[in-house]
Formats: sequence, structure tokens, C-alpha cells
Amino acid sequence: NAGVTQTPKFQVLKTGQSMTLQCAQDMNHNSMYWYRQDPGMGLRLIYYSASEGTTDKGEVPNGYNVSRLNKREFSLRLESAAPSQTSVYFCASTLAGEVYNEQFFGPGTRLTVL
Amino acid sequence: AQSVAQPEDQVNVAEGNPLTVKCTYSVSGNPYLFWYVQYPNRGLQFLLKYITGDNLVKGSYGFEAEFNKSQTSFHLKKPSALVSDSALYFCAVSRYPNDMRFGAGTRLTVKP
Repeated sequence: NAGVTQTPKFQVLKTGQSMTLQCAQDMNHNSMYWYRQDPGMGLRLIYYSASEGTTDKGEVPNGYNVSRLNKREFSLRLESAAPSQTSVYFCASTLAGEVYNEQFFGPGTRLTVL
Repeated sequence: AQSVAQPEDQVNVAEGNPLTVKCTYSVSGNPYLFWYVQYPNRGLQFLLKYITGDNLVKGSYGFEAEFNKSQTSFHLKKPSALVSDSALYFCAVSRYPNDMRFGAGTRLTVKP
């Protein structure tokens, strides 16, 4: 089992460029998440998908869009990147989004926007 | 609203000594509390969780955490620290589905 995989590992963009971060899990989990990690701020939820076919905003959704392509895959899109979106992005999944379930994280994508 | 606070940005401890990483929470109702560890250039890994029952929770790699309702705390502990325990540790609380809130993290450094 690969667990949660993310591509790419690193990316440098110029302001205004667009890109899509890919995430896939092979654990047959129903719920998937996108977080951003910034120094001194912990992880903040951008968007989540409670189940295939549904997506919802998290704490910091502005400037992002998501697609739950199928049960395995959940992508995050930046339509017009801004320097404030420089961060490390983590995808996570869990069997179901219940309060007692731990999440499983991918290795992250380090994004720099110039 | 729900939140966790990790009052220490950095904790330094000598190898073989006990370690404590502190976490306090603020939530209405019963909290579901988690600890995760992040090694350099890696994603977060689950260590342990408190759902209900025994206030002392045992987890991976010899770590344990003590839930204290009166002090609204969930401190992570280990009796004897290893150099390999050096990492970034996150406390998290989950009160609503799909709404896990993370602390800012505490960097643990264990010196030989």
C-alpha cells in the first residue's frame, strides 16, 4: 500500500500562473482533505470531500478550487497563484470524517509563488 | 468554536530523560484529541488519540498522553527520550465531522 501520494513534490510558480496539485489514496477511504501548512500556524483546512461526489469549503478556501475525481483522487487547483499561497500543501484521507477517526497524510507539496 | 494551543514552540531534552509536550484545548462538549508527529520533509503521522475512557492513552513509539478534563489539557509524554524522537509535534482536536483543528506545533529536540 502506498497510502496517500501527492504530486508534484516541489513547484515554483510566477504570480498569476495556474496549477493543479494531485492526490491519491489507496486505502479505500471515503473522506479526503487539503491543508496548507505555514510556519507558526499549524495546518489549516482548505477544502474537504466527505465522500465521492461532494466537496465543501474549509477554513481558508479563497483562491482555491477542488475536484473529487473518484473515490481515490482529490485534486487542488490554484487558478491564479499569488505570493500569499506560498506554502506546503498536504493531502489527507480518513475512512470516514467522523470525529474519532485519525487522518492519514501524504508527503506534501512545497509550493513557491514568486 | 474549537481550538488547541501548544504553548511551547520548542522543547529541548537530553536523551534518556523524560519528555513532555504540552497541549491545551478549548471546545464545547466532549473533545476528541489527537497527537501527530512530523519528521523533516514528511507528512504528519498519527501517534495516538483520546476518545473516551481511560485518561492515559498509549500510542506508537512509546508515547503516551494524559487527558485532564479539569485543566483542559492533553500533554504528550515519553519516559525516556531518544534522539530519533526529534521532530515537530502537533496536537489536534475534533469536535465536528471533517473539522479537525491543529495547534501551531512544538519542535522537540533531543540531544545526545
